[in-house]
Amino acid sequence: SQQGEEDPQALSIQEGENATMNCSYKTSINNLQWYRQNSGRGLVHLILIRSNEREKHSGRLRVTLDTSKKSSSLLITASRAADTASYFCAPTYFNDMRFGAGTRLTVKP
Amino acid sequence: EAQVTQNPRYLITVTGKKLTVTCSQNMNHEYMSWYRQDPGLGLRQIYYSMNVEVTDKGDVPEGYKVSRKEKRNFPLILESPSPNQTSLYFCASSLRPGGYNEQFFGPGTRLTVL
Repeated sequence: SQQGEEDPQALSIQEGENATMNCSYKTSINNLQWYRQNSGRGLVHLILIRSNEREKHSGRLRVTLDTSKKSSSLLITASRAADTASYFCAPTYFNDMRFGAGTRLTVKP
Repeated sequence: EAQVTQNPRYLITVTGKKLTVTCSQNMNHEYMSWYRQDPGLGLRQIYYSMNVEVTDKGDVPEGYKVSRKEKRNFPLILESPSPNQTSLYFCASSLRPGGYNEQFFGPGTRLTVL
């Protein structure tokens, strides 16, 4: 299926540490997007990486994409308490964009 | 401010009582969609619209209706709500169809059907 599957389901770290979340998918994609959701609120777009890109950076975020392994990772460096949220990947193929169940990240002060 | 708005934000209703959740965007986006979010299931698309008067089913359309008479508005209609439609609903919009660029999400509508 097109749906992304995030791993781990939950992650708890201390402030200042790095957080890595992984996403796997099963079919071809045009691009893959990552979103963040603070508790009960709307999703906020973080980054879009196209299928011909291998790595992309945005501030403290680093996303990698390995199309041969059908996987992506999101790295948040020097995490802050404000990074506490759920993170979703969304592999996309033309109009078809499927969100996974997300990784719940808790950053302890 | 560029945004997607939804109303109401919270709604408690009873089985069978028709309701409408409104969605409006001020970014002149062509593409709009509705999702529901349930614990452990992520976001599932209910309906989407490529442009005015063009709508299509997503993954879980049963029990829902939509319309797109104006570019900015995309209401979600539950003609006869049932308890299994208790969920958190999000409207989203983007300049072009969902996969090509970022989607902007509304703040969500928490619906409880008793």
